[in-house]
Amino acid sequence: GDSVTQMEGPVTLSEEAFLTINCTYTATGYPSLFWYVQYPGEGLQLLLKATKADDKGSNKGFEATYRKETTSFHLEKGSVQVSDSAVYFCALSGGGSNYKLTFGKGTLLTVNP
Amino acid sequence: NAGVTQTPKFQVLKTGQSMTLQCAQDMNHNSMYWYRQDPGMGLRLIYYSASEGTTDKGEVPNGYNVSRLNKREFSLRLESAAPSQTSVYFCASNAGTASYEQYFGPGTRLTVT
Repeated sequence: GDSVTQMEGPVTLSEEAFLTINCTYTATGYPSLFWYVQYPGEGLQLLLKATKADDKGSNKGFEATYRKETTSFHLEKGSVQVSDSAVYFCALSGGGSNYKLTFGKGTLLTVNP
Repeated sequence: NAGVTQTPKFQVLKTGQSMTLQCAQDMNHNSMYWYRQDPGMGLRLIYYSASEGTTDKGEVPNGYNVSRLNKREFSLRLESAAPSQTSVYFCASNAGTASYEQYFGPGTRLTVT
C-alpha cells in the first residue's frame, strides 16, 4: 500500500538558518504530493502541493519538488523565522475516487531567535 | 467563510461512556474524513465518506461508528469509550476533484479516564 516516510524530529534551528525536511514515498501510479503545517493548538493547513513529476510547489518561502526518480518531495526554506515553528506533515494521495491522503508521522520544527 | 467546524473542542469521558463528535463543512464538498492524531503516529484515518450516502472504514475503525447525515455533516460516535481512544480527532473535507487537497477542522481533544 501507499506509505510516506519523513525525517524524524524534532528539528531545532536558529532564525535565518536553512531548512530541509526529507520526505520519501511509496505509491503505485502517479500520486499527488502535499506538505501540511500544523501550528500549536490548530488543525492542519495545506502549505504546498505538486501533482506531477518535476512540479515545484511553493508558498511562504517554502519549496518542494516532486522527484519521481527518487520518490521524494523534500521541503526546503532558505531562511526560517520563529513563526515557522510548527509540525510539518508530508502526505500523498494515490488517486481513486475516495481521495484519501496518506500522511507521514510529522516533523516538529522549533526555530529559536 | 467557516470552512470545517468541529464540536466540542475538548471532552473528558469516563471509560464506557459514549459520545458523538460533530463535524460540518460549508464548502459543498463531496468527501469527508475523520482522523485521529497521536504523538509519534501522525494522522491515521478512522472512517471516510467519499460522497453523501456512503461511508467506508479507514486504517483504524475499531471502536468507532460514523454517520453522513447529509452533504454538510459527518459525525463520529464512540459507543463505549476506552482509554486507548484518548487522542485529538480531526475532521476534514475534500471537493472530490483531482486536486485531492483536504481542508481540516480545528480538532477535538478527547481524554478518556
